[in-house]
Amino acid sequence: DGGITQSPKYLFRKEGQNVTLSCEQNLNHDAMYWYRQDPGQGLRLIYYSQIVNDFQKGDIAEGYSVSREKKESFPLTVTSAQKNPTAFYLCASSIDKLGEQFFGPGTRLTVL
Amino acid sequence: RKEVEQDPGPFNVPEGATVAFNCTYSNSASQSFFWYRQDCRKEPKLLMSVYSSGNEDGRFTAQLNRASQYISLLIRDSKLSDSATYLCVVHSGGSNYKLTFGKGTLLTVNP
Repeated sequence: DGGITQSPKYLFRKEGQNVTLSCEQNLNHDAMYWYRQDPGQGLRLIYYSQIVNDFQKGDIAEGYSVSREKKESFPLTVTSAQKNPTAFYLCASSIDKLGEQFFGPGTRLTVL
Repeated sequence: RKEVEQDPGPFNVPEGATVAFNCTYSNSASQSFFWYRQDCRKEPKLLMSVYSSGNEDGRFTAQLNRASQYISLLIRDSKLSDSATYLCVVHSGGSNYKLTFGKGTLLTVNP
């Protein structure tokens, strides 16, 4: 089945630790995205990538980093510099710039 | 004006009711438009794209008014399973791939 997978579903970390969230897609999509969603809030764009080895900052990139070494994979690292990392993180992909985005099931990150 | 603004809701309607959601967007260069639904603690899922001519998918009808920068979603004969948050989504325009999401409108359909 084609789709987007994210792992883990739930993640707990201590303050001061970096953590990496996985996102994989087998839809052959060029573009991939990371969003965070806080309770009662809309999705906010963290980073996006249009092609392999290229990515751009979104609206709230501070404290995050990404890589795009393979078309299928777009991991997100939440660094200790992110001041309020507890949130629901969603990865998405789209076939082109005007197309709809398809989302993975998300990762809930809680900082203890 | 916010980039994408939706009715704040929540909407509580009985089964069988017709409900309409409205959305406005600020960027006149926006090129594509969508409605997504998001169930509690789940990822957003595409409900339908919105075309200038309007489009219908079963009980759902979407309309786009470019002159007024306005999008709507109409749900007829509401079902309990329609209970969810509905997100208005707009392509930001320009050469990037950015979609802008509204905060969503919560719909609860009651038996």
